Amino acid sequence: NAGVTQTPKFQVLKTGQSMTLQCAQDMNHNSMYWYRQDPGMGLRLIYYSASEGTTDKGEVPNGYNVSRLNKREFSLRLESAAPSQTSVYFCASSSSAVNTEAFFGQGTRLTVV
Amino acid sequence: LAKTTQPISMDSYEGQEVNITCSHNNIATNDYITWYQQFPSQGPRFIIQGYKTKVTNEVASLFIPADRKSSTLSLPRVSLSDTAVYYCLVGGVDTGRRALTFGSGTRLQVQP
Repeated sequence: NAGVTQTPKFQVLKTGQSMTLQCAQDMNHNSMYWYRQDPGMGLRLIYYSASEGTTDKGEVPNGYNVSRLNKREFSLRLESAAPSQTSVYFCASSSSAVNTEAFFGQGTRLTVV
Repeated sequence: LAKTTQPISMDSYEGQEVNITCSHNNIATNDYITWYQQFPSQGPRFIIQGYKTKVTNEVASLFIPADRKSSTLSLPRVSLSDTAVYYCLVGGVDTGRRALTFGSGTRLQVQP
């Protein structure tokens, strides 16, 4: 079972470049999440989607946009990357917004130079 | 929001029982308590969830006192592979975002 799949696994960007991080889940989950994790820190919620067609801001949404393309896919876009966005990005999904058992992808390690 | 407080780090030895306590003084009536484990370079993994009293699964036990202002994750007979960061989360049935808000976690180091 694939679970939650993130692409790419690694990415290096130059300041000002844009890119989209892809996330897909095959568990028929309604809710999906994007987090970032800086070295030695906990996870911080960027955006989440409680159900298909809805998205909402988390703790640190500035500099990011999201698209819930369909029930399976939830993408995160950096329009103009900055060095402060260097981090590991995790996508997660849960069966619903009220279910606290979430499944995480393996992460995307992003470096902005 | 219900804030959680955990020790920053803990050390243990193989074969010992490890108890990690989380404080959540402002827990709301509908809030559940959930624990996750994270290994280096991996996403967090759900361990256990509870509302009150005691919950046990094949990995851990979760003890929640009557006032629910704290909870204790118990790992029996830890091994080196239990070295990880453990996160305590508090969230409710009507606050999907809040339910998945992570703090800094407890870094557990298991020594041989």
